[in-house]
Order: sequence, then structure tokens, then C-alpha cells
Amino acid sequence: DAGVIQSPRHEVTEMGQEVTLRCKPISGHDYLFWYRQTMMRGLELLIYFNNNVPIDDSGMPEDRFSAKMPNASFSTLKIQPSEPRDSAVYFCASSLIAAPQETQYFGPGTRLLVL
Amino acid sequence: GQNIDQPTEMTATEGAIVQINCTYQTSGFNGLFWYQQHAGEAPTFLSYNVLDGLEEKGRFSSFLSRSKGYSYLLLKELQMKDSASYLCAYPSGGYNKLIFGAGTRLAVHP
Repeated sequence: DAGVIQSPRHEVTEMGQEVTLRCKPISGHDYLFWYRQTMMRGLELLIYFNNNVPIDDSGMPEDRFSAKMPNASFSTLKIQPSEPRDSAVYFCASSLIAAPQETQYFGPGTRLLVL
Repeated sequence: GQNIDQPTEMTATEGAIVQINCTYQTSGFNGLFWYQQHAGEAPTFLSYNVLDGLEEKGRFSSFLSRSKGYSYLLLKELQMKDSASYLCAYPSGGYNKLIFGAGTRLAVHP
């Protein structure tokens, strides 16, 4: 299995620009998660989807952030406009079912730097 | 804030044993996870405990005490490649909403 795929792996942009991060979950996984990791705040859940439907977006920091999952094999996280404080590593993860013991499999992450 | 706490950094010697502690506070407990994260890489699953006691997986073991809100990860026969961050996490609210600790950065030296 290819695992969770994310693109781009690195992104450097200027404040005010739109940033789009992409994720392809593991085939057959019904749950997709977007996380953000920073030194200050650690690993935080932003939003997660079940069968392409957003279930909990309470972790999305503000309206500048939006996420979509148009089909079972693709999701995007968009930041518009971007700000320097958005600099972080953004991880996408997927899991098979909604059981508490179900493991989440993480993608390699996108390292975002907003100048 | 997150009700999960673990030490920020630890150091240990190759071949030794190290214990990484995690304390948490949550209602509706649904188990506790440990993930390993090497620098610049994604977190990878290590263990999941839902019942009290010790679970062993090769060189790594994980312990849980639900009454004390306490878990630890035990790493034996440390190797240089074990240098990484170790994150504990619990499911909150929905089954799949994981709350992560800040992580413990472990440095293994010769």
C-alpha cells in the first residue's frame, strides 16, 4: 500500500497568498484527518471527515482555513490569506473505521513557511 | 488546554532502559495511544492500551492505570535509532478525535 500521500512536501509563500495542501488517504479508509504541528502547540487536530463529510471542524483556527473532501481519495486544506503564524507542519492522516482503538496512519506532512 | 502531560526531554544511554510518563485527565476514557515521531517525519503508531496493566511488544512496552490517569512507555535495550519524540494521545469526544500530548524528545547517546 502506498500509504497516505501529501503534496507538496514543502511550501514557502508570502503573507497574503493562498495556500492549498493536498492529501490522498489510504484506499478504503473512511476517515480523514488534518493536523497541524508546531513547537508551541504540538500536534492539533484541525478537522476530520467521515465518508467525505466533515464531522468536526472545531479545531480550524479561523475562517481563513477551509477544508474539502470532494471524493474518497482526495482532500484539500486551504489557507486564504496566509499569515506568518500559519507556518507549521500540516499532516493528513486516515483510518479505516471509527473504533477507539483504530490506528490513524499519517502522511509525511507538508512543511509550510509563510514569510 | 489539553489535559495531557508528558516530560519535554529525556536523555539515555545506548543499551539502557528508559521510561516515558504520560498523565491525562479525560471523561469517557477510550484508551491511550503512544506514537513515535522521528525528526522531520510523520508520527507512527506504537501502542494502544485500554485496560490496566502492561502490554509488551518486543523492546517496547506500554503501561496504563486508568484510576490514576497515568501511562508510561518503557523502552529496553535502547538503540541510537530510538532517538525520537514520543507522543501519548487519547480519543476525545468522537472516537477518532485524538488529543495529543506535546511529546517527549528522547536523545539516546553512546
